[in-house]
Amino acid sequence: AQSVTQLDSHVSVSEGTPVLLRCNYSSSYSPSLFWYVQHPNKGLQLLLKYTSAATLVKGINGFEAEFKKSETSFHLTKPSAHMSDAAEYFCVVSEPNYGQNFVFGPGTRLSVLP
Amino acid sequence: EAGVAQSPRYKIIEKRQSVAFWCNPISGHATLYWYQQILGQGPKLLIQFQNNGVVDDSQLPKDRFSAERLKGVDSTLKIQPAKLEDSAVYLCASSRVGELFFGEGSRLTVL
Repeated sequence: AQSVTQLDSHVSVSEGTPVLLRCNYSSSYSPSLFWYVQHPNKGLQLLLKYTSAATLVKGINGFEAEFKKSETSFHLTKPSAHMSDAAEYFCVVSEPNYGQNFVFGPGTRLSVLP
Repeated sequence: EAGVAQSPRYKIIEKRQSVAFWCNPISGHATLYWYQQILGQGPKLLIQFQNNGVVDDSQLPKDRFSAERLKGVDSTLKIQPAKLEDSAVYLCASSRVGELFFGEGSRLTVL
């Protein structure tokens, strides 16, 4: 069965500095991986997804993530944080051969300081 | 294209009462999910439907929770009787081409 670990429950950065949110996964098959963002009192929005094409995936709002199979990681990065990036971020793993089941990590809360 | 619709957005009930949540997925999406998100945690799958059949309900507390998707389109999630620990946001999602699309959720407070 697949699982997701998000190594930091809370990350705090200053506006204009880089963002790194870490995610490690466990999967028996070739997984699909996603990052979703949740702003306060809002629904979950897809940031980006990896589905076995290019290992460096670009998403919305300047975010990108790199799939590293050898490290079973899918870390999310952004070169320069903006105040509007403050939100909860979830790493998600899915095994298409396993009934399209999506498993969420516990989330990382990103704070952006002025 | 209309998104996933959920209602009600907010519900407050006393423990031991019942509550029902409704979800209408994006048109044409065969797979529908109900997730429970407790404050400070990631969403946890309660039940997954493929058309009107159940694919996975292994984490659904079946003594108090039930869900149906009778015509393979909209779905209802019911809790009866509610407990304090059921306070959470109930998220409905549908999927196509291996991607989840979420509604805005139904926030339940059990007093």
